[in-house]
Formats: sequence, structure tokens, C-alpha cells
Amino acid sequence: QVQLQQWGAGLLKPSGTLSLSCAVYGGSFSGYYWTWIRQPPGKGLEWIGEVNDSGSTNYNPSLKSRVTISVDTSKNQFSLRLSSVTAADTAIYYCARVADESRGYYLPYWGRGTQVTVSS
Amino acid sequence: EIVLTQSPGTLSLSPGERATLSCRASQSVRNRYLAWYQQKPGQAPRLLIYGASNRATGIPDRFSGSGSGTDFTLTISRLEPEDFAVFYCQQYGSSPRTFGQGTKVEIK
Repeated sequence: QVQLQQWGAGLLKPSGTLSLSCAVYGGSFSGYYWTWIRQPPGKGLEWIGEVNDSGSTNYNPSLKSRVTISVDTSKNQFSLRLSSVTAADTAIYYCARVADESRGYYLPYWGRGTQVTVSS
Repeated sequence: EIVLTQSPGTLSLSPGERATLSCRASQSVRNRYLAWYQQKPGQAPRLLIYGASNRATGIPDRFSGSGSGTDFTLTISRLEPEDFAVFYCQQYGSSPRTFGQGTKVEIK
């Protein structure tokens, strides 16, 4: 059973850098895309981007200039960095894994989410 | 970028009733790569449907999906008390893999 365990700083000051990590337990780390999604308070889901085990990435154009998603295959982990944060980046951040490349990039596996608040 | 528009915003129904949720895309979704998720308060989203009409593992058969091109539908044949939640569609045929804004199914 695939499990995703995520962690990172929950309170940031404006202009700071958000940093979150997600560890993968169960199943293979290779051969999949690993994804970050966020949800502002009371709002819907926003896809941030994805990375595969080779480090190939796709980003949401609305965040691309500030986002870096990376992998550490030695630890079966992937990470999110979002720079120059503002209050608009306050959200619950989820890590997730896609099904597989042959069936498509839907998301059967999700972490529990990390609340990140940006406030001075 | 494909924009997904869900309707209605809120659906007020009673247990046992049928729920029909719509998801319309701004352009055709490749290969019917459309998924539906259910989210309850304080929880991560849960995959219900992928490939427009395939139920995910463990999802009851009262949930069904249909559609192609730009118009997709999630149907819950008979609402159970545990089904009341927010539902999101997502297209994953092209990047960025966008979500709809959600439909809340609430108890009438």
C-alpha cells in the first residue's frame, strides 16, 4: 500500500520561501510522476506541478517563476520550494502520486496535507 | 490551459435521491482523461472515477461517470449519508492538469 508522509514549516513570513517534503512508503519510487497540489482556505484545488524520478518537471504556468519541485531517489522523497511567498500562498499543501504513465496522471494516492500560513 | 467549469455550485438533496454533477471543459479532454474526486472536511481528496467512467478501487457502484470531449457527468444513483461532500473534476490529459472549482452536495 502506497503511503505519502509530508512535512515542512507551517508558518512563514512574507517574501520567505516555502519548503515542504514528502516521503513515499510502499511501492516503487521509480516510474511515476510525483505531484504537489494546494487548497487555499475555503477554496478549491490548484495543481502546482509534478516531477518524475529522473527529475523531469511540469509546472503550473501561474507559479512557474517561483516553484521548484525536486526528487531525492536515495531517500524516496520529493520536495516543493515556493519562493517570495505572500498571504495568497496560504493554503493546505498536498503531495500525491499519479497512477502510472500508461493509464494516466490521475491521483489515487494523497498525503494528509500540510497547513502553510504566510503572515507577518 | 484547459479550464474546467463545474455546475451547479451547490446541490441540495435528500438521502436516497439521485445526484447529477456536471463538468465542462474549455477544450476537448484528450483520451477522456477526466477524473472525479470527493473531499470531506479536514480530509484529502479521494479518487472516485478515472478515465471518465472507471471506478477507482473500493468505490461503490452507486457512483458512475460518463462523457467525452468537453462534457462530463458524475452521477450518484442513490445518495447515502456519507456521500455528502465536495466533488471536484480534474483533467489530466494535458499540462497543467487542472481542477474544476467544485460542487458541494449538501443535505436538504
